[in-house]
Amino acid sequence: AQTVTQSQPEMSVQEAETVTLSCTYDTSESDYYLFWYKQPPSRQMILVIRQEAYKQQNATENRFSVNFQKAAKSFSLKISDSQLGDAAMYFCAYRTNYGGSQGNLIFGKGTKLSVKP
Amino acid sequence: DGGITQSPKYLFRKEGQNVTLSCEQNLNHDAMYWYRQDPGQGLRLIYYSQIVNDFQKGDIAEGYSVSREKKESFPLTVTSAQKNPTAFYLCASSINLLAGANQPQHFGDGTRLSIL
Repeated sequence: AQTVTQSQPEMSVQEAETVTLSCTYDTSESDYYLFWYKQPPSRQMILVIRQEAYKQQNATENRFSVNFQKAAKSFSLKISDSQLGDAAMYFCAYRTNYGGSQGNLIFGKGTKLSVKP
Repeated sequence: DGGITQSPKYLFRKEGQNVTLSCEQNLNHDAMYWYRQDPGQGLRLIYYSQIVNDFQKGDIAEGYSVSREKKESFPLTVTSAQKNPTAFYLCASSINLLAGANQPQHFGDGTRLSIL
């Protein structure tokens, strides 16, 4: 079974600085998808960025980018020019592309990001 | 606007009572999911449905039941067999996987369930 590990329960960053959140996963599959979701205090889950395993190019969305290392099974999220609104829980998630559970997300336990003014 | 509506926002359950959480989507998505979130935990999958009139157990289905009689609706019942129901419950949906397995899940705003 696949697992997702976020080793940093909490992180802190100064406003306008850059922060990197770590995520590692375990799988024997070669084709899958990875996601980062943000959960602000309102508790709504918001998609931040997605990565397809067969694409070597790292995904970027404005100030958010990933460092996808397939061989190392690592999928870190970099937030540049951090803003106060970035303060939230961040969840890394894995999605298989095979079998009856195709489409199901497996989540890490999350990293709570604080942004200091 | 298209989206997912969960109701109620807060729900209280008495001992031995079954309660039902509502989830409705107007995104025309085929697949729907229920997750449970506890403090310090990620989201854990309770049940999922990839098509109307069909659903599958997730990782923590015991004490829960669902139905999928309509494409847009996927209610979750927390039964009295669930001894620790206090948690935050999130419903999600996604497009038919044949259209692209990279499509993300879209989430509702959640329901917080507490025991009286």
